[in-house]
Amino acid sequence: KAGVTQTPRYLIKTRGQQVTLSCSPISGHRSVSWYQQTPGQGLQFLFEYFSETQRNKGNFPGRFSGRQFSNSRSEMNVSTLELGDSALYLCASSFASSYNEQFFGPGTRLTVL
Amino acid sequence: DQQVKQNSPSLSVQEGRISILNCDYTNSMFDYFLWYKKYPAEGPTFLISISSIKDKNEDGRFTVFLNKSAKHLSLHIVPSQPGDSAVYFCAASEDTGFQKLVFGTGTRLLVSP
Repeated sequence: KAGVTQTPRYLIKTRGQQVTLSCSPISGHRSVSWYQQTPGQGLQFLFEYFSETQRNKGNFPGRFSGRQFSNSRSEMNVSTLELGDSALYLCASSFASSYNEQFFGPGTRLTVL
Repeated sequence: DQQVKQNSPSLSVQEGRISILNCDYTNSMFDYFLWYKKYPAEGPTFLISISSIKDKNEDGRFTVFLNKSAKHLSLHIVPSQPGDSAVYFCAASEDTGFQKLVFGTGTRLLVSP
């Protein structure tokens, strides 16, 4: 069974640009969550999508957005990039309920110059 | 507000001995707890979980203990192996039906031969 895949694995952007990251969940998983990992803040929840609807959102500015498609694939977008957005962005998929463990992809390393 | 805390940033253990990783939480609404292992440049890998109705869960060399009154959980690895060297994160969630994990800051485990 294929795991969670994320593309691209590495990305370099400059301040002010926007970026789109992609995530393909494990087949059959309908929930996709996004997390940001930084050395200072650790792993922080961005948002969760289920059946193309955002069910929950973390404490991030509106520059961070996402969407989910009918095949459960998800994208997240960051507009007007800031230096502080440099991080590892992780996508995780699971079945529906909160009592299911989440399976993480390898992440996308974003560097903002 | 750090709702999940791992107060030991690092732990060194000899091969064959027991590794004990600790985690404290402050949110009494958390009722599901998980441990993840993370290698550099990879996403976190699920290890073991426990719901609040239990106080112990075992899976092979890994055992998680939950003390709800103390809001404390621990992960025991017996026997420890060099391949266990990684960063370990504990995570918690509420029974909201949504997939939102709150992570601790991680403990780096080094198992030496």
